[in-house]
Amino acid sequence: SQQGEEDPQALSIQEGENATMNCSYKTSINNLQWYRQNSGRGLVHLILIRSNEREKHSGRLRVTLDTSKKSSSLLITASRAADTASYFCATLTGGGNKLTFGTGTQLKVEL
Amino acid sequence: GAVVSQHPSWVICKSGTSVKIECRSLDFQATTMFWYRQFPKQSLMLMATSNEGSKATYEQGVEKDKFLINHASLTLSTLTVTSAHPEDSSFYICSARTLASNTGELFFGEGSRLTVL
Repeated sequence: SQQGEEDPQALSIQEGENATMNCSYKTSINNLQWYRQNSGRGLVHLILIRSNEREKHSGRLRVTLDTSKKSSSLLITASRAADTASYFCATLTGGGNKLTFGTGTQLKVEL
Repeated sequence: GAVVSQHPSWVICKSGTSVKIECRSLDFQATTMFWYRQFPKQSLMLMATSNEGSKATYEQGVEKDKFLINHASLTLSTLTVTSAHPEDSSFYICSARTLASNTGELFFGEGSRLTVL
């Protein structure tokens, strides 16, 4: 089964709006990471939040982590058409050698 | 930032042939590289962990003899899909971790799209 499940599976918003994506996971983690994937391309690392952190910011990105609920959210503020992509959460577990990816959210930002 | 190059970016082959995909870390050394497989609009599924100078560690359900992995140097790992069949058609992505990293952050190649006719 998936370590990370994301919702929504797909999200369509207008440029300028905020986009929020959620990720839930099952086991305890060392950290949780968010990646972005443009269609047919590799993944790009966006932001990492450690298990002892609750919130982190990077530019227009804001990530929260609730370890009691085993969930994380990614907020993209003032979205742009160029933000259109798939977003995946990934968790680093156990021995810290393996990242397990969530199911992903396909974000579409329309002009 | 760390750059990972993957080649070829796409390949079409006939059923029964073998295809090799290369993954190179261009500006850093990577003792560990990871190979993922991704079906359309789905997540990445880890196939195997490639360790420099030793045998790869395969995930459950991944055929070792089907997907041969070689990690001969600190900057190169290869995945060979042997006797490819149409069901092997997929997007294969490699990733690498820098030696200094203890956070698990991965740097990804651009992926290789394999189509088996």
